[in-house]
Amino acid sequence: GQNIDQPTEMTATEGAIVQINCTYQTSGFNGLFWYQQHAGEAPTFLSYNVLDGLEEKGRFSSFLSRSKGYSYLLLKELQMKDSASYLCAVFSNDYKLSFGAGTTVTVRA
Amino acid sequence: DTGVSQDPRHKITKRGQNVTFRCDPISEHNRLYWYRQTLGQGPEFLTYFQNEAQLEKSRLLSDRFSAERPKGSFSTLEIQRTEQGDSAMYLCASSPPGAPYNEQFFGPGTRLTVL
Repeated sequence: GQNIDQPTEMTATEGAIVQINCTYQTSGFNGLFWYQQHAGEAPTFLSYNVLDGLEEKGRFSSFLSRSKGYSYLLLKELQMKDSASYLCAVFSNDYKLSFGAGTTVTVRA
Repeated sequence: DTGVSQDPRHKITKRGQNVTFRCDPISEHNRLYWYRQTLGQGPEFLTYFQNEAQLEKSRLLSDRFSAERPKGSFSTLEIQRTEQGDSAMYLCASSPPGAPYNEQFFGPGTRLTVL
């Protein structure tokens, strides 16, 4: 089974940096995804990590440590449109995605 | 638009009624997934198909739930004798074959309200 933990809420100021942590316990790890979900909309893909280290994609970066069962998503130069829920999801060997409950990020002016 | 589509977008029904939702995946995506999401939670896996074969069903999927993907293209999810606890957003996602990783593309979801 999967156990995925991430903070419930975070608040930051426009232009700032926010780091969302995710810890997981899983059997059959095959990668970790981060998705963004605006209220009432479908999740959209942000990043994927399968090897240890940092993946950078524009203002968003994601880090993975498989030995620690830990990942983070880093959002830089925050914009108002970044206010959303951020979902950490573990991809297992049986092709299933298991999601955390999501972290609601509120960006304030 | 070539994304994942779902129909209907909203469904209100009375307890005890049957409902059916449809998902059209991205063309040539061989894997199709159904999830359920309630407020404040992440999506929960329900079931998935590879082509027309249903490969896995979650324990969340009671006998009242059934899913089909008869020709390996669109899929339907039916809930019989709906209960108030079935009220949720039902999300469909698809992913392509042979990808180095299994990125799933989500549809807009069907929001079910059971009165």
